[in-house]
Amino acid sequence: DAGVIQSPRHEVTEMGQEVTLRCKPISGHDYLFWYRQTMMRGLELLIYFNNNVPIDDSGMPEDRFSAKMPNASFSTLKIQPSEPRDSAVYFCASSFGTTSESSGANVLTFGAGSRLTVL
Amino acid sequence: AQSVTQLGSHVSVSEGALVLLRCNYSSSVPPYLFWYVQYPNQGLQLLLKYTSAATLVKGINGFEAEFKKSETSFHLTKPSAHMSDAAEYFCAVSWNSGNTPLVFGKGTRLSVIA
Repeated sequence: DAGVIQSPRHEVTEMGQEVTLRCKPISGHDYLFWYRQTMMRGLELLIYFNNNVPIDDSGMPEDRFSAKMPNASFSTLKIQPSEPRDSAVYFCASSFGTTSESSGANVLTFGAGSRLTVL
Repeated sequence: AQSVTQLGSHVSVSEGALVLLRCNYSSSVPPYLFWYVQYPNQGLQLLLKYTSAATLVKGINGFEAEFKKSETSFHLTKPSAHMSDAAEYFCAVSWNSGNTPLVFGKGTRLSVIA
């Protein structure tokens, strides 16, 4: 498997423009997570899905952010309109869910990230 | 709110010296604990995980971590640092055996001096 694939790797845009980040999780994984990484706040969970259904979006900063997962192999994170404070690295991660005591909580596999710069 | 604290945003060690990166969590419920490593311009990779099977956990690249319930700690160690260990290290915690999302610490940047 090629791992979690994110695109684009780098995006530079101007304030007010729409930004769409894409993620292809590992085949067979049923959980997908979107995280944002900044120097000030570290890694923050934005939203996560289970079997394509959003479970918790309480980390989404505001209505300008939206995420979808139309099928098991694709998810998008959209920012409209974008602002300079949205500049960050956005990570997608996926996992295979389990409640087995022998394996414990799920292990996340991260993509390489999408570095967003909003001017 | 449950939280993870990594003491020291930057740690610098000499090559061959002991590496100690500290992680403490806040909870009375036994957690599931992880250490991830992030190399420049890459995503996070799993170093090791604790899932209650043993308090001393061995991971990749010679790293290990010990779960100490009484101290609510899960510090990461390596006996002898190598230049290739220079990276950012994140402690993460989950408080259920199911798939509740991980809560990450703010990270510790490890520098290794030749």
